[in-house]
Amino acid sequence: DVKVTQSSRYLVKRTGEKVFLECVQDMDHENMFWYRQDPGLGLRLIYFSYDVKMKEKGDIPEGYSVSREKKERFSLILESASTNQTSMYLCASSSDREAVEQYFGPGTRLTVT
Amino acid sequence: LAKTTQPISMDSYEGQEVNITCSHNNIATNDYITWYQQFPSQGPRFIIQGYKTKVTNEVASLFIPADRKSSTLSLPRVSLSDTAVYYCLVGHSGAGSYQLTFGKGTKLSVIP
Repeated sequence: DVKVTQSSRYLVKRTGEKVFLECVQDMDHENMFWYRQDPGLGLRLIYFSYDVKMKEKGDIPEGYSVSREKKERFSLILESASTNQTSMYLCASSSDREAVEQYFGPGTRLTVT
Repeated sequence: LAKTTQPISMDSYEGQEVNITCSHNNIATNDYITWYQQFPSQGPRFIIQGYKTKVTNEVASLFIPADRKSSTLSLPRVSLSDTAVYYCLVGHSGAGSYQLTFGKGTKLSVIP
């Protein structure tokens, strides 16, 4: 089974802190994604990566950056956390170029106070 | 980006067939349609995918009319364990870019 793991299930940070969310997949997938999920808004794509050191902006990249130094690891960085970044963050990976079937991690519930 | 619209919630009794429809009026020619299931405290899980007509797998069917402006996920004989949120996803990839639009999800409650 494909396994996507995220470094934390719950995280509480203060406004202005730099926050790192880590995601690791064990199936050698080329494509990886970061989403945020908010009530009533569904899932929104923040960033994606289709290869090591390659990254592209999704629909809501403002306030975020990403890093992919190794194929299995994709990190989401909040340079200066703000309260409006309180959310559920989901990482996903996919082997197919169309990303039809994405495998999601369990999510990180981030609270910024 | 294709905009997707789904009902917010649905109720069904055990053993019934459930149909959840997603509207995507401005779907692009190269967009595919995918459905995901999400249980509380878990990430979404892939159910089924299609481009046009009908697709069936061991857990669900997906009906897509000729104009592709909507799609219907059909769950046969639901059980309590099918209580979850169901998302449709419309999108495609091309030239190093992804255009992925998730619906806001339909919360299905299965009643004994």
